[in-house]
Amino acid sequence: KQEVTQIPAALSVPEGENLVLNCSFTDSAIYNLQWFRQDPGKGLTSLLLIQSSQREQTSGRLNASLDKSSGRSTLYIAASQPGDSATYLCAVTSGSRLTFGEGTQLTVNP
Amino acid sequence: DAGVTQSPTHLIKTRGQHVTLRCSPISGHKSVSWYQQVLGQGPQFIFQYYEKEERGRGNFPDRFSARQFPNYSSELNVNALLLGDSALYLCASSVQGRVEKLFFGSGTQLSVL
Repeated sequence: KQEVTQIPAALSVPEGENLVLNCSFTDSAIYNLQWFRQDPGKGLTSLLLIQSSQREQTSGRLNASLDKSSGRSTLYIAASQPGDSATYLCAVTSGSRLTFGEGTQLTVNP
Repeated sequence: DAGVTQSPTHLIKTRGQHVTLRCSPISGHKSVSWYQQVLGQGPQFIFQYYEKEERGRGNFPDRFSARQFPNYSSELNVNALLLGDSALYLCASSVQGRVEKLFFGSGTQLSVL
């Protein structure tokens, strides 16, 4: 059974700081890995998708890496802004389903 | 184009009642998936439907059922509601049956009293 773990559970940083969110998964037989953002009480917004054959993806200030053999992914956020405050969820795809971690709650203080 | 739309946005039920949640996928998307998100946790997979057929089922009791219609919209039904069914129910759509990038709706917040 696939299990996804995210560390840390919560993170509070001052505006402008670069930060890294971590995700690990137990079964390396994945199709892809996605990072999502979730604002309180809202749905999920896909940030980055990394295919299992890829090592990283970049979008603006976000960079996600994938090391399938070690079962790890990181999401790097550069020059954080208060608008980045949200919960960030990592999910791996296998078969017909996504398996999610419990998320990292990020607060960026002005 | 409209995104994934879910209705209702909020719902309050009492224990033992039945509830139906609805989802319309993005135009052109043929796959719909349902997830349950309990407060403070990550979403848990409930069902995936593709071309009106069930393609996957998560570890949920038989009180949970779903279907997909010819226009690719979907319903999630939950019978005999329990307090523990209180959660945000998320619908997601994708173009094909094999899960590529999922597009999520804003969810239905279900409260069971």
